[in-house]
Amino acid sequence: DVKVTQSSRYLVKRTGEKVFLECVQDMDHENMFWYRQDPGLGLRLIYFSYDVKMKEKGDIPEGYSVSREKKERFSLILESASTNQTSMYLCASSSGLAGGVAKNIQYFGAGTRLSVL
Amino acid sequence: AQTVTQSQPEMSVQEAETVTLSCTYDTSESNYYLFWYKQPPSRQMILVIRQEAYKQQNATENRFSVNFQKAAKSFSLKISDSQLGDTAMYFCAFMISPYNNNDMRFGAGTRLTVKP
Repeated sequence: DVKVTQSSRYLVKRTGEKVFLECVQDMDHENMFWYRQDPGLGLRLIYFSYDVKMKEKGDIPEGYSVSREKKERFSLILESASTNQTSMYLCASSSGLAGGVAKNIQYFGAGTRLSVL
Repeated sequence: AQTVTQSQPEMSVQEAETVTLSCTYDTSESNYYLFWYKQPPSRQMILVIRQEAYKQQNATENRFSVNFQKAAKSFSLKISDSQLGDTAMYFCAFMISPYNNNDMRFGAGTRLTVKP
């Protein structure tokens, strides 16, 4: 089974702190994603990476950055956390072109619920 | 831009009964992919069922089936013989191309409660 692991289930931070959310997948997937989940809004894509050191902005990248130094790891960084970044953050991964019929299925981590006070 | 609408924020159903969750989408593309994902309370989101737009036949996975109406741009999920473990948030999602994974769009979700 595909396993996507997010380092923290719950996180409480102060306004202005630098926050790192870590995500690791064990299926050698090319693609990795960071989403933000808010009630009534569903999932919104923050950043996407299709290869090591490659990244693309999603719909709501402002206030966030990402890092992908190794294929299995994708980090989301809040440079200076603000209260409006309090949310559930979901990491996902999927295989690339070589993935066959399953290549467009995204596999999700359990999520990190971040509270910024 | 592609949009996905789930018009039912919350639903409930009695155990063993059948429930249908609605989803509509908007696109000008002719080929695309549709998904239903399930997010149980405090657990990770998992794929329930997937439909490819060029396939006429509705997808089924055990107790889960879809009613895909391409002309109406509708993709509803039917859960038969509902079980307590079906209690979850359900998200409808849409993707145009399998080669461009960053264009998946999600609906706002429907919270389903199965009552004993």
